Amino acid sequence: RKEVEQDPGPFNVPEGATVAFNCTYSNSASQSFFWYRQDCRKEPKLLMSVYSSGNEDGRFTAQLNRASQYISLLIRDSKLSDSATYLCVVKGIYNQGGKLIFGQGTELSVKP
Amino acid sequence: DGGITQSPKYLFRKEGQNVTLSCEQNLNHDAMYWYRQDPGQGLRLIYYSQIVNDFQKGDIAEGYSVSREKKESFPLTVTSAQKNPTAFYLCASSIGSGETILFRANVLTFGAGSRLTVL
Repeated sequence: RKEVEQDPGPFNVPEGATVAFNCTYSNSASQSFFWYRQDCRKEPKLLMSVYSSGNEDGRFTAQLNRASQYISLLIRDSKLSDSATYLCVVKGIYNQGGKLIFGQGTELSVKP
Repeated sequence: DGGITQSPKYLFRKEGQNVTLSCEQNLNHDAMYWYRQDPGQGLRLIYYSQIVNDFQKGDIAEGYSVSREKKESFPLTVTSAQKNPTAFYLCASSIGSGETILFRANVLTFGAGSRLTVL
């Protein structure tokens, strides 16, 4: 089982749609979680950190479910500019050097 | 403005040659990282450094070497021993070491990447 696994995608949605991505992680002791956005042939950029209580930033909502070991990202009212690959990132536990582990990414394409 | 500068952006190499990718940051970050990304895959950690004059192997260090002589600089050498070097290489930095669980300390800032092609 991969340490961090994301919905395979691609997701093709019309403008204005609501779309949700899931990401599962294998180590129950993982402490920190993030969503990054990566545009085609560009570097990843932080979209949002994921807090235990869940958090929202405009049209984006991140949730953490520790019992089931997954995090989710919800995008409401999708825009054309949301088209990108979304990377789930989980911080490893101490004996992994606390390293950040990346999922393979979920591609989103928003169509007019 | 603070940030991370990677160079060159594109690089072509013949088989058997070593190449060095530059990474410079002016964010005053302690930790720096090198990742490799292949098409359709996530980022894989090559090397990381939490402090000057110290660095550790990541998951795929074979065929690569690094140095951290200055806080601002973390160059990566792709040696001829690396069997499949064609990839997108990303340098990143963060405020603190990976040991802390503080969110802010673990947020990565990436450079624009270097795309290496072996001919």
